[in-house]
Amino acid sequence: NAGVMQNPRHLVRRRGQEARLRCSPMKGHSHVYWYRQLPEEGLKFMVYLQKENIIDESGMPKERFSAEFPKEGPSILRIQQVVRGDSAAYFCASTPGQGNTDTQYFGPGTRLTVL
Amino acid sequence: GNSVTQMEGPVTLSEEAFLTINCTYTATGYPSLFWYVQYPGEGLQLLLKATKADDKGSNKGFEATYRKETTSFHLEKGSVQVSDSAVYFCALSSGAGSYQLTFGKGTKLSVIP
Repeated sequence: NAGVMQNPRHLVRRRGQEARLRCSPMKGHSHVYWYRQLPEEGLKFMVYLQKENIIDESGMPKERFSAEFPKEGPSILRIQQVVRGDSAAYFCASTPGQGNTDTQYFGPGTRLTVL
Repeated sequence: GNSVTQMEGPVTLSEEAFLTINCTYTATGYPSLFWYVQYPGEGLQLLLKATKADDKGSNKGFEATYRKETTSFHLEKGSVQVSDSAVYFCALSSGAGSYQLTFGKGTKLSVIP
């Protein structure tokens, strides 16, 4: 059973470009979370999605960031007009259902570097 | 709001030493508590979890007990190995909102032979 997959693993962008990060949840999981990890910091929640629905985006920056989880295909985190402060590791996690006892399974992350 | 505080690192231990990493939390409702481990350049792996008061989570020689009275979930291992060198994150998930995880800042453990 394949785990959570993320690609690319490393992404380099220049200021002002767009970054697209992809996450394929574990088989049978329909809930996806995105987190951001700044250097030497813990992970911070960004957004929670189910198929075709954004459930909670309270952790997303108000501008330039968006996320989707279409009926078919991976979840995508999109960052428009990237700035140096966006450089971080972005992790997604998936769960089979919704509940605070459910384990979130993490992907290997995408490390974004903005030049 | 929810928050997790864990001991500052880095922590350096000799092989076979006893490990304790302290973790305390503030949360609404009845949270579940987790320890995740992150090896260099990798994602997070669940180490153990506890979903209600007095539960003990354990895995690979690590254990932690959910203490509601002290709002703590300290991680312990009796005899660490070099392969345990990693960053350890304490986290909670509460019933408020979307059950997202709230993480501590992480504690880097280095075990030397």
